[in-house]
Amino acid sequence: AQKITQTQPGMFVQEKEAVTLDCTYDTSDPSYGLFWYKQPSSGEMIFLIYQGSYDQQNATEGRYSLNFQKARKSANLVISASQLGDSAMYFCAMREGGALTGGGNKLTFGTGTQLKVEL
Amino acid sequence: EAGVTQFPSHSVIEKGQTVTLRCDPISGHDNLYWYRRVMGKEIKFLLHFVKESKQDESGMPNNRFLAERTGGTYSTLKVQPAELEDSGVYFCASSQDYGHRTTGYTFGSGTRLTVV
Repeated sequence: AQKITQTQPGMFVQEKEAVTLDCTYDTSDPSYGLFWYKQPSSGEMIFLIYQGSYDQQNATEGRYSLNFQKARKSANLVISASQLGDSAMYFCAMREGGALTGGGNKLTFGTGTQLKVEL
Repeated sequence: EAGVTQFPSHSVIEKGQTVTLRCDPISGHDNLYWYRRVMGKEIKFLLHFVKESKQDESGMPNNRFLAERTGGTYSTLKVQPAELEDSGVYFCASSQDYGHRTTGYTFGSGTRLTVV
């Protein structure tokens, strides 16, 4: 079974609009972390935002926010006021186990969502 | 601080040849990870070093892949002999601890390997 599912292979959004990129996850570990990365056409992987499973509030970083719904096992990324520079591939990833207890520390990734911001 | 550096950025080799990829993590990062993305599929974990020791190599596809991290600094990933299905983008990442919440894991720009 897929541990990270991103159901939107491609998304379009108009500049200045908000967009939500979907991510659902599957784990039986009570302690886990969820990450979003951006990969522009240049290839580098840029860390955007992190949500811990025990965090009480949804994570926010500037124009990025994470809509964390634990019971539904979803961790959608919301980008507000989209900019042309937001056009990129976006990956959702999960680390099972706590940050200090290990659990392997490897990340499990989804297949990504290609976002295109249009004028 | 300098980021995670990978080279070469691109490599095209013939089936049966050997290729060595290199990763220089952020200085002081004990944890180093290798990942691979085959065309159109998800990024998959290959292995994890803590300093010079292999913490987890469960993702290594077969014994044609050999990773080393002598001295706990840079790491190399050798593919010998390369097969067509090894084509993809190989990413390296490093972290100071087990993935700090404010910085995540820092990735390099990847090496695009094409086996023809």
